[in-house]
Order: sequence, then C-alpha cells, then structure tokens
Amino acid sequence: GAVVSQHPSWVICKSGTSVKIECRSLDFQATTMFWYRQFPKQSLMLMATSNEGSKATYEQGVEKDKFLINHASLTLSTLTVTSAHPEDSSFYICSTRSGRSNEQYFGPGTRLTVT
Amino acid sequence: AQTVTQSQPEMSVQEAETVTLSCTYDTSESDYYLFWYKQPPSRQMILVIRQEAYKQQNATENRFSVNFQKAAKSFSLKISDSQLGDAAMYFCAYLNNNDMRFGAGTRLTVKP
Repeated sequence: GAVVSQHPSWVICKSGTSVKIECRSLDFQATTMFWYRQFPKQSLMLMATSNEGSKATYEQGVEKDKFLINHASLTLSTLTVTSAHPEDSSFYICSTRSGRSNEQYFGPGTRLTVT
Repeated sequence: AQTVTQSQPEMSVQEAETVTLSCTYDTSESDYYLFWYKQPPSRQMILVIRQEAYKQQNATENRFSVNFQKAAKSFSLKISDSQLGDAAMYFCAYLNNNDMRFGAGTRLTVKP
C-alpha cells in the first residue's frame, strides 16, 4: 500500500506559539489529502480536506484561521496550528486516498502537546 | 449526515476464539464503501478489510470476515482464531464520494 509520512511525530510547544505539521505522500501524487484530529480514547474527526493548488475545505466548527492548511504540491500538505492553546493538544493524522481503489492511507500521526 | 455507530466500547476474547464486532450506519446512498481499520498502541491506522456496497458477497481477508447486511445497514467484523496481536482499537468507517466517517471505536482485548 501507499506510504504516507508525517513530521514531526511528536512536538511540544508553548501556548501562543505556532507549530507546523507536514504530511507527505511518498508513493503517489495526491491531489487530495485529509487532516484528522483524535483526542484520547476517541475516534478520528475530520478537520479539513486539503486540495492541491486550491483552498482547503474545513468541516463545520473547525476554525480555518487557526488551522492553516497548505497543499502546495502533489506530495506535500502542511497543517499549521496558529496561536496554539492547551486545548489544541491532540493527535493529528493525515491521509491520502487512492482514486482507483478508494483505499485510504494514513500517516503515523503527530502528537501535539501545548503547554 | 452519515453516521456510523459502534455500540460496543470494549470487547474481550480468549486467544484462538472468535469475536464479532458490531457496526451500523445511516445513509440514504446506495453506492458507498465500508471499512474496518485497526489502530494498535502505535496509533498507526491499518486497513483490516473493505466492502463495496454494490457487492453482495461478504469480504474476507484470512481470519477476518464481515457480515454485510445492506438493508439493515449493518457491517460487523468477525475475527476468527484470535491472536494476541489482534488487540487494538477497531474503527468502522463509511465512505461516500469524498466523505469518510468513523465510528467511535471498539477496544478489543485478547486474553492469553
């Protein structure tokens, strides 16, 4: 299956600072990538759909000015958490989807801790 | 909006035995995909099995099989000959167009 990487795997930042998470599709060109957030012992919640060369589509309740998404190339999407607060501490997972098989490939996730 | 319901927060099975995890979903669509994902402690999401709604035959992958009941909107996962490595969170997922939704998950414990 396709390989999706995320960097960093774990980040700690201070409240009020910004942090960038990278998601790379290593095996195929991904025109669309998805960003999920998973709180402890909960399911994955879709935050936004990242579209190469255009604006991301955000789910209801997700602040687009706080969670900046950039999908500048077919293999890279970035999520920037701006002015992070402790309640933003979570596990962030990106994924890509094969248009042929509709199989979704997930990155290993990034654990964000805001102190 | 489509919803996916997993009514079993936790399940336990004895090693080598069989366990069934439940999943129901709500949709007005006729063409969609269903998945079971496994999330071990590493938190990497791993695809276990997938089912296309237009296929009547239940999908099978080695020890994993599903019971897909389209009319009842039910999609249960059966794990046969359970192994210690099967212990994980299991998520049921529904996909239609670009919209993938997950259930709340079932934590499976395998007892030696």
